[in-house]
Amino acid sequence: SQQGEEDPQALSIQEGENATMNCSYKTSINNLQWYRQNSGRGLVHLILIRSNEREKHSGRLRVTLDTSKKSSSLLITASRAADTASYFCATDARGGSARQLTFGSGTQLTVLP
Amino acid sequence: DSGVTQTPKHLITATGQRVTLRCSPRSGDLSVYWYQQSLDQGLQFLIQYYNGEERAKGNILERFSAQQFPDLHSELNLSSLELGDSALYFCASSGTGTGGVREKLFFGSGTQLSVL
Repeated sequence: SQQGEEDPQALSIQEGENATMNCSYKTSINNLQWYRQNSGRGLVHLILIRSNEREKHSGRLRVTLDTSKKSSSLLITASRAADTASYFCATDARGGSARQLTFGSGTQLTVLP
Repeated sequence: DSGVTQTPKHLITATGQRVTLRCSPRSGDLSVYWYQQSLDQGLQFLIQYYNGEERAKGNILERFSAQQFPDLHSELNLSSLELGDSALYFCASSGTGTGGVREKLFFGSGTQLSVL
């Protein structure tokens, strides 16, 4: 079963616009991560936000976390055609050396030139 | 390049057969994870090994098994293959230390398995 569910499933925007993707999850977490996947390739880690953080920035990425609503959002500002990819949120509910990242179903982002 | 190497990139086999997928983690990473990605099930966690020992188990079928060797490479064995096992299988590794190094995963490029 999917812990995280992304919304929307697909998003199409023009280059230069901002893209916002949302993720909802069900259980308590230690951290939430966002990954990017280009078609048929491996996932690439983008950003990690811990359960005691509310907002985090990395370059053109901004992530927010609301643990009371069990939701997170990923904002990509000034999008580029190269940002076209699938974006997944992943929740990490376990600590220690045991890791079981649970991925959502992903948002397919298309940035039109 | 994530530093995680998976072989083979593509594998075509028949139902009932057995295959082995191989993964070499990033240099120094002790944890290896296996994920299955399919259109209908999405990205499913299968199993995690840490320094040779199984640490976490997800939705891994009994027909599937994995191990991590002393040199830290890992193999995922899939047996009695069915059509529904066709998927992209990813290996990932994570490091040790602080500052999020342990938590984030570095993925290989995957093995595309087609069961005919």
